[in-house]
Amino acid sequence: QVQLQQWGAGLLKPSETLSLTCGVYGGSFSAYYWSWIRQPPGKGLEWIAEVNHGGPTNYNPSLKSRVTISLDTSDNQFSLKLNSVTAADSGVYYCVRGATYSSGRGDIWGQGTLVTVSS
Amino acid sequence: DIQMTQSPSSLSASVGDRVTIICRASQSIDNYLNWYQQKPGKAPKLLVYLASSLQTGVPSRFSSSRSGTDFTLTISSLQPEDFGTYYCQQSYSTPFAFGPGTKVDIK
Repeated sequence: QVQLQQWGAGLLKPSETLSLTCGVYGGSFSAYYWSWIRQPPGKGLEWIAEVNHGGPTNYNPSLKSRVTISLDTSDNQFSLKLNSVTAADSGVYYCVRGATYSSGRGDIWGQGTLVTVSS
Repeated sequence: DIQMTQSPSSLSASVGDRVTIICRASQSIDNYLNWYQQKPGKAPKLLVYLASSLQTGVPSRFSSSRSGTDFTLTISSLQPEDFGTYYCQQSYSTPFAFGPGTKVDIK
């Protein structure tokens, strides 16, 4: 049974860098696409970025200038960095397993990390 | 970018009712459409992928269909555990946008 466990700082000040990591346990890592999705408090879902072993990374154009997604295949982990955060970046961030052909089908989700940006 | 809309934004129905949620894409996405259910404080759960394929373990009372750029999620007989917010998502091209959600309450 594949499980995703995510961790990272939950309280940031404006202009700091958000850094989250997601560990993949119990299944294949290199075969799938992996992504990050976020949800502002009380609002809907926003796809942030995707990564795949050996494939290109893709970013949401609305965040592309501030976001980096990366893989660590040796530890079966992937990470998200979002720099220059503002209050608008507050919300729950999820790591998600996609399909073998894209991240568009999120069948396994992490538990979510609540990130609050406040001075 | 592809935009997704959903209707209604919320609904209240009784146990046993047939419930329908509509999702519309701003352009053709073929069958690249997913449906998720999210309960308060929890991560979304994949219900349907590729427009009409039921994810493993999802009850057969859930079904989905496509007509052009319109997609319909149907719950044939609403159960108490079906409360939550339902989101559609296009997986045709990045960024993989979600619809704004439909909140389902049980009367």
